[in-house]
Amino acid sequence: SQQGEEDPQALSIQEGENATMNCSYKTSINNLQWYRQNSGRGLVHLILIRSNEREKHSGRLRVTLDTSKKSSSLLITASRAADTASYFCAVSGAGGTSYGKLTFGQGTILTVHP
Amino acid sequence: GAGVSQTPSNKVTEKGKYVELRCDPISGHTALYWYRQSLGQGPEFLIYFQGTGAADDSGLPNDRFFAVRPEGSVSTLKIQRTERGDSAVYLCASSRPLTGQKPQETQYFGPGTRLLVL
Repeated sequence: SQQGEEDPQALSIQEGENATMNCSYKTSINNLQWYRQNSGRGLVHLILIRSNEREKHSGRLRVTLDTSKKSSSLLITASRAADTASYFCAVSGAGGTSYGKLTFGQGTILTVHP
Repeated sequence: GAGVSQTPSNKVTEKGKYVELRCDPISGHTALYWYRQSLGQGPEFLIYFQGTGAADDSGLPNDRFFAVRPEGSVSTLKIQRTERGDSAVYLCASSRPLTGQKPQETQYFGPGTRLLVL
């Protein structure tokens, strides 16, 4: 079964608005990562946050991690039509599993309207 | 090459047949991963290699699935006696080595092989 559970399952916004996606997981982790997947293409790594970190930024992306609640959020500011994609959170080392094994959530489908 | 490549991009086969899916990782990446993604789902881990050896094969669903990486570079995922439920996109990823035994945390994914079992 998949560790990460994401909400919302789908999000539709207008260009320029912010988009927030949430991810919850069940056990201890080494790190949590967010990936983007465009229709028909492979996954692209966006950002990684380690279990001892609380917040990270990368360009228009902000990720938070709350290990006490076992949850993370991804914020995309000033969204663009090109941000339209599926977004997945993935945890590494979940429940003591191997470091290289990523366990993915089911994803959030983001649609940004021009 | 510049990125992870996978061949074929699409594979249609009949139930009961044998298939091989190939992955060429980024040059210099010692860790290689296979995932399977069904429609509307996130990727599901199958196996990962550190060099030539399988470091974790806990995600292989049954003994019809097997993967090799004989020279520590290219990997082949082999599926015997395919079933309709094997239809999915098979994703390969690779990552750079860190010091020691742990792979670098960021995984770089290929475009996937779309397998359809009729």
